[in-house]
Amino acid sequence: DGGITQSPKYLFRKEGQNVTLSCEQNLNHDAMYWYRQDPGQGLRLIYYSQIVNDFQKGDIAEGYSVSREKKESFPLTVTSAQKNPTAFYLCASSMGRDTGELFFGEGSRLTVL
Amino acid sequence: GNSVTQMEGPVTLSEEAFLTINCTYTATGYPSLFWYVQYPGEGLQLLLKATKADDKGSNKGFEATYRKETTSFHLEKGSVQVSDSAVYFCALGLNAGGTSYGKLTFGQGTILTVHP
Repeated sequence: DGGITQSPKYLFRKEGQNVTLSCEQNLNHDAMYWYRQDPGQGLRLIYYSQIVNDFQKGDIAEGYSVSREKKESFPLTVTSAQKNPTAFYLCASSMGRDTGELFFGEGSRLTVL
Repeated sequence: GNSVTQMEGPVTLSEEAFLTINCTYTATGYPSLFWYVQYPGEGLQLLLKATKADDKGSNKGFEATYRKETTSFHLEKGSVQVSDSAVYFCALGLNAGGTSYGKLTFGQGTILTVHP
């Protein structure tokens, strides 16, 4: 089945540690996105990538980094510079020219201890 | 800037009740509007969309009409089921230069619980 796979589903980390969240898609979509979801705040865009080897900052990019070396993969690193990293992270993809139909993964819940 | 405001939740209804979840937006230009749904433990999925004023999006018994004059996109369903229990997000996206990408602006989400 085509879709988006995020891993791990749950992750715990200590303060000061970097952690990388995986996102893989087999939908042949050009564009990929990372959103952060916090209770009562909806989703906020962290980074997005329209094509391989290119990505752009979203609204809350500080403390995060990404790479897009392959069309299928868009990993997100939460660095120690992110002051409040505990959240639910959602990866999504789209055809690129579509008017906003995003396909989401099931999310990764990060908890900083 | 662009923003989306949804009615405060949570919303609790009995099965077969009528549902309305209000959504209003602020945007420069002419946005496309969307409703996404998130079932427990899952990611979001597109429920319906409308790309221009007066369009009506519909899916699975849900409907929403793009009202430019009131900058609204309220979600309605005539008779809800227990299986409709989920979080509902209103969102907008803007075209840029003839193409558009999924840089959506989301509302805060409304939790819906339907009891038998």
